[in-house]
Amino acid sequence: AAGVIQSPRHLIKEKRETATLKCYPIPRHDTVYWYQQGPGQDPQFLISFYEKMQSDKGSIPDRFSAQQFSDYHSELNMSSLELGDSALYFCASSLGLRQSGNTIYFGEGSWLTVV
Amino acid sequence: GESVGLHLPTLSVQEGDNSIINCAYSNSASDYFIWYKQESGKGPQFIIDIRSNMDKRQGQRVTVLLNKTVKHLSLQIAATQPGDSAVYFCAENMAGNTPLVFGKGTRLSVIA
Repeated sequence: AAGVIQSPRHLIKEKRETATLKCYPIPRHDTVYWYQQGPGQDPQFLISFYEKMQSDKGSIPDRFSAQQFSDYHSELNMSSLELGDSALYFCASSLGLRQSGNTIYFGEGSWLTVV
Repeated sequence: GESVGLHLPTLSVQEGDNSIINCAYSNSASDYFIWYKQESGKGPQFIIDIRSNMDKRQGQRVTVLLNKTVKHLSLQIAATQPGDSAVYFCAENMAGNTPLVFGKGTRLSVIA
């Protein structure tokens, strides 16, 4: 079965550069979530979208922005990168407002290393 | 405040034994709970979920128990195998399009 696809899988950037991560949800899923996971940490919620509109916002820095496009894929844009932004960034998707059986599935993540 | 946490950061079990991983949550409004397994460098993999109108749910070799009275969740893995070695997270949220809140993971190590 198709899963959540993230790209790139690995990314190395220098401080103050920008980076863009992409997420392609499971087909027919209309909700996308972004999480950040530092080394040895639990995933921290950044932001989510439902039907191309922001649905919730977590601990996303002002330097980051995201959007969901008409085909439901999402992009996380990160600017003025800092060393502390080095982490594994996960995208997850689900179908609609959470209702019975609408599990949230995660992608394999994008490793961002800021040097 | 809202928090989901685990009692133990690490758990070591002998291959073939049963494993029990615990989780405590504090938001009594949470009505949906999920256990995820995360292997090194990989994304969280859905294991099993349970809704607040249930107190037990079984899957293949896994059972989740929910005790709403004490806000406790557990994951039981039967006949633990080396492939079960990973970090296990519980996560919770409420009805509606709210994001999952993850607890601190428990690292399960299976000793062959």
